[in-house]
Amino acid sequence: SQQGEEDPQALSIQEGENATMNCSYKTSINNLQWYRQNSGRGLVHLILIRSNEREKHSGRLRVTLDTSKKSSSLLITASRAADTASYFCATDAGGGSEKLVFGKGTKLTVNP
Amino acid sequence: GAVVSQHPSWVICKSGTSVKIECRSLDFQATTMFWYRQFPKQSLMLMATSNEGSKATYEQGVEKDKFLINHASLTLSTLTVTSAHPEDSSFYICSARDFRTSRETQYFGPGTRLLVL
Repeated sequence: SQQGEEDPQALSIQEGENATMNCSYKTSINNLQWYRQNSGRGLVHLILIRSNEREKHSGRLRVTLDTSKKSSSLLITASRAADTASYFCATDAGGGSEKLVFGKGTKLTVNP
Repeated sequence: GAVVSQHPSWVICKSGTSVKIECRSLDFQATTMFWYRQFPKQSLMLMATSNEGSKATYEQGVEKDKFLINHASLTLSTLTVTSAHPEDSSFYICSARDFRTSRETQYFGPGTRLLVL
């Protein structure tokens, strides 16, 4: 089964810096999504990028997708302490199943 | 936006007892809901897909007799952990899709933390 793999597993930066997280997957996808999870909480959908898209922006978020390399990146610009959370990529398994397969996640810590 | 709630938010129970967790879509109808399990510092693992009015579809390795799923209405799915044991202690999260806005985005509940003593 396909699985997203994020790297790095953990990232610690200072407020104001940019944070880049990467995700790789194994099989073809319909779309790739990024979610955020605060400690001990549910997930919040951040952004979705379809397989025919290469880049997408939403506020301070920028997502790229390279289907030839089966990889995606999430860039958070001008980070804030409130961005501290775990970030997961999830791939649509396709085939009409509606299932998402989540990667292992990157724990981001933004120090004030 | 679409809101999904879970109840309870946390539960502590004795080994051998059964625990029911509810997942509700508050402002939309969900024919399909998903149940995930998350161990500390790990990712989400899909347990099963809950289908309104029909049997749930379980992922490989998930015991259907252990984790009973009922999706009796378009806004409610329940997960019952039967004869719970300490190894069932985990964070259980449900999600649902709001087809009014997107067939692809899943909206997640806040999760239920289960501790089995």
